[in-house]
Amino acid sequence: GQNIDQPTEMTATEGAIVQINCTYQTSGFNGLFWYQQHAGEAPTFLSYNVLDGLEEKGRFSSFLSRSKGYSYLLLKELQMKDSASYLCAVRDRSNYQLIWGAGTKLIIKP
Amino acid sequence: KAGVTQTPRYLIKTRGQQVTLSCSPISGHRSVSWYQQTPGQGLQFLFEYFSETQRNKGNFPGRFSGRQFSNSRSEMNVSTLELGDSALYLCASSGPGQQTTDTQYFGPGTRLTVL
Repeated sequence: GQNIDQPTEMTATEGAIVQINCTYQTSGFNGLFWYQQHAGEAPTFLSYNVLDGLEEKGRFSSFLSRSKGYSYLLLKELQMKDSASYLCAVRDRSNYQLIWGAGTKLIIKP
Repeated sequence: KAGVTQTPRYLIKTRGQQVTLSCSPISGHRSVSWYQQTPGQGLQFLFEYFSETQRNKGNFPGRFSGRQFSNSRSEMNVSTLELGDSALYLCASSGPGQQTTDTQYFGPGTRLTVL
């Protein structure tokens, strides 16, 4: 079957680092996406991983291990504006469909 | 490039009515996906259209339907509205082809309230 797991909620302190994990099981894997969604707004694209390893983009980095069915999003130097939900999605190779996790709500405290 | 646009942005309907939502994808994108999102819930996939054909479908009742036109614009229709249909409806476009790297870009959504 297809399944994506993420923690429901995480809390971190402004200026700190936080790691949001995502584990997945799909019938065929062909890429993993991370999106950010602020309350009441549409999701916005953050990163894409298809090969194992770390992709860095400014304060945000995303890591993928295909053999473990595991990814994480690393946010550094946290800012209050990073308070949002972070969605992990995996593309199924058989039909190109994106399978979505329920999202992780990140709360940043001063 | 202009982003994904959705109309209307807000809609209030009563139970039993039907509604049609519209989505215009980013120029050159041929795939349009529709999602339903209720408070505190993740994205629930409705369906995806690619080159005027429904390519994938989620687990929603037949009251939810969609179509895509030759210019890639898409509409979704919900008939016989129920209170539980109140949600944010998001459309996302990707393309131009069937590439696994194709990223979905979301429109601002239509917030539907059913009274």
